[in-house]
Amino acid sequence: EVQLVESGGGLVQPGGSLRLSCAASGFTFSSYTMTWVRQAPGKGLEWVSYISETDKIIYYADSMKGRLTISRDIAKNSVYLQMNSLRAEDTAVYYCARVNVMVWEETDYYGMDVWGQGTAVTVSS
Amino acid sequence: DIQVTQSPSSLSASVGDRVTITCRASQNIGRYLNWFQQKPGKAPTLLIYAASSLQSGVPSRFTGTRSGADFTLTISSLQPEDFATYYCQQSYYTPPYSFGQGTKLEIK
Repeated sequence: EVQLVESGGGLVQPGGSLRLSCAASGFTFSSYTMTWVRQAPGKGLEWVSYISETDKIIYYADSMKGRLTISRDIAKNSVYLQMNSLRAEDTAVYYCARVNVMVWEETDYYGMDVWGQGTAVTVSS
Repeated sequence: DIQVTQSPSSLSASVGDRVTITCRASQNIGRYLNWFQQKPGKAPTLLIYAASSLQSGVPSRFTGTRSGADFTLTISSLQPEDFATYYCQQSYYTPPYSFGQGTKLEIK
């Protein structure tokens, strides 16, 4: 079964740090770009970060740039999100997702086709 | 950065109704537009990619169309399991991969 399982969320004080993990199974992890998306309570989805299958291409959302580090460990089939200097507005459920390349009329398109169940991060004193 | 503006933010409809949700991109993104469904307390699921291609396992009552920078998601005959929140998302080459604001589809 293709699966992503996040962990590492929890309660952290403002200014603190957390490292989220996402364990992949059921597919060739090294062949896929991975991404993180978050959702604040009662709000919409916000794309957060992206790491290519070779981990040479990395992007971050402006809202968290400078406070995030995304990485992946092929041997552990896992992707990580190190979050520093956390703020109350970073409170959200954080999802990891697989980015699949889907071909339509000989053109590659990119879709987040597998998602984890999410891990909740609460930033509060 | 590319923005996607989604409307309406909420919608009330009955089982069997036909509903349409729209997204407008701030620039030409070709067909790089995806649609997701999210139910309360669950992760989103991919419904449509490349503006109109149905993801495997998605019922054919879901249809996506594109006209320039405008995109629509149509559900032809609402079923009870379709009441959820829907998001569009652009995936035009490199991130940021922005999402629309979401449309909450509720039972009338």
